[in-house]
Amino acid sequence: SQQGEEDPQALSIQEGENATMNCSYKTSINNLQWYRQNSGRGLVHLILIRSNQREKHSGRLRVTLDTSKKSSSLLITASRAADTASYFCAAETSGSRLTFGEGTQLTVNP
Amino acid sequence: DVKVTQSSRYLVKRTGEKVFLECVQDMDHENMFWYRQDPGLGLRLIYFSYDVKMKEKGDIPEGYSVSREKKERFSLILESASTNQTSMYLCASSLGTWEQFFGPGTRLTVL
Repeated sequence: SQQGEEDPQALSIQEGENATMNCSYKTSINNLQWYRQNSGRGLVHLILIRSNQREKHSGRLRVTLDTSKKSSSLLITASRAADTASYFCAAETSGSRLTFGEGTQLTVNP
Repeated sequence: DVKVTQSSRYLVKRTGEKVFLECVQDMDHENMFWYRQDPGLGLRLIYFSYDVKMKEKGDIPEGYSVSREKKERFSLILESASTNQTSMYLCASSLGTWEQFFGPGTRLTVL
């Protein structure tokens, strides 16, 4: 069953702008993770936020988590052309198992 | 750095062939996972394993089997490949409930 669902499906912005992607999930989670995938490659872990956290920062990334709304957002500030990729949220519910959303395709235009 | 390697980047097989996809990780992770990724469907979990010789079905195990004889190696087996198994296959490993580390993927085409 689909646990994480990203919104929007595609986002196109100019270099220097901020990019915000949203994720919704259906059941209780232990943590929520965000991954990045360059075209045709494997996924790379970006950031993990635990269910008892509300916000977390890592470099230009800011993740928020609202467990009451079962939603999370990923903000990339001051975007660069190299940020062009697909971004996935993944909900960890039990036993280290992740359920991924369909992803947001981000295009950053130079 | 954790390294997860997959035996092939691209693979072309014929319908009915038995296909082996190999995944090796070098960080002594207890958990290993096999996903397939298809446009519009995201990543779907096929099988996973918490330890040597242990395996658990994921969301779409039909048509697949797995083998984990050694901690570092997790193999995905397509017993009789079919065209609807044409996909990108991604292997991952993790330690406990932390992040998963992914291999580069194998793009399998079944003709």
